[in-house]
Amino acid sequence: AQKVTQAQTEISVVEKEDVTLDCVYETRDTTYYLFWYKQPPSGELVFLIRRNSFDEQNEISGRYSWNFQKSTSSFNFTITASQVVDSAVYFCALSTTSGTYKYIFGTGTRLKVLA
Amino acid sequence: DVKVTQSSRYLVKRTGEKVFLECVQDMDHENMFWYRQDPGLGLRLIYFSYDVKMKEKGDIPEGYSVSREKKERFSLILESASTNQTSMYLCASSLYRGYEQFFGPGTRLTVL
Repeated sequence: AQKVTQAQTEISVVEKEDVTLDCVYETRDTTYYLFWYKQPPSGELVFLIRRNSFDEQNEISGRYSWNFQKSTSSFNFTITASQVVDSAVYFCALSTTSGTYKYIFGTGTRLKVLA
Repeated sequence: DVKVTQSSRYLVKRTGEKVFLECVQDMDHENMFWYRQDPGLGLRLIYFSYDVKMKEKGDIPEGYSVSREKKERFSLILESASTNQTSMYLCASSLYRGYEQFFGPGTRLTVL
């Protein structure tokens, strides 16, 4: 079975703090993709990053960084020096293309950054 | 930039009405999707389509149907709306199967 778990329902931080959003996934497929999306208060989901299962290299994009560890089936997202504009719901997702196509979203983590 | 548009941001319908939600993408994507988003349940896939005239059921297709007559347009149909279909409906498209999806702004549907 495929599953994405975001155990943190809601996180509140004060501006400039670092924050890590956790994502744990389950799949039996060897080829899969992992994603993070951001859903700001306006409602539109915005794609942030895609990672394939063969690439465990961490990625950094400005204040955002992602840590992919196959050994723990985790794909965590860290925001450094958080800002109020980072307040949103963040979704982790998994897709597999072998056999029946599957694209599974976690239930999301609501991040509140307080000024 | 990929642009996915949905016909309405807010919609109010009565129980039993037939409801059409329309979605258009402008990037020539083959793959299109319809989700509903409910608090605490995340996004749940209703239907998807990999090609014109082709459709496949997602995880919660009951009470819904879809139409894809043209590559850029994917419509979700509620044949007889019920109150438990009150939700946020999100349309998405992707270039390749399994790759990132690009979402429209969503339609918040209320069924009274």
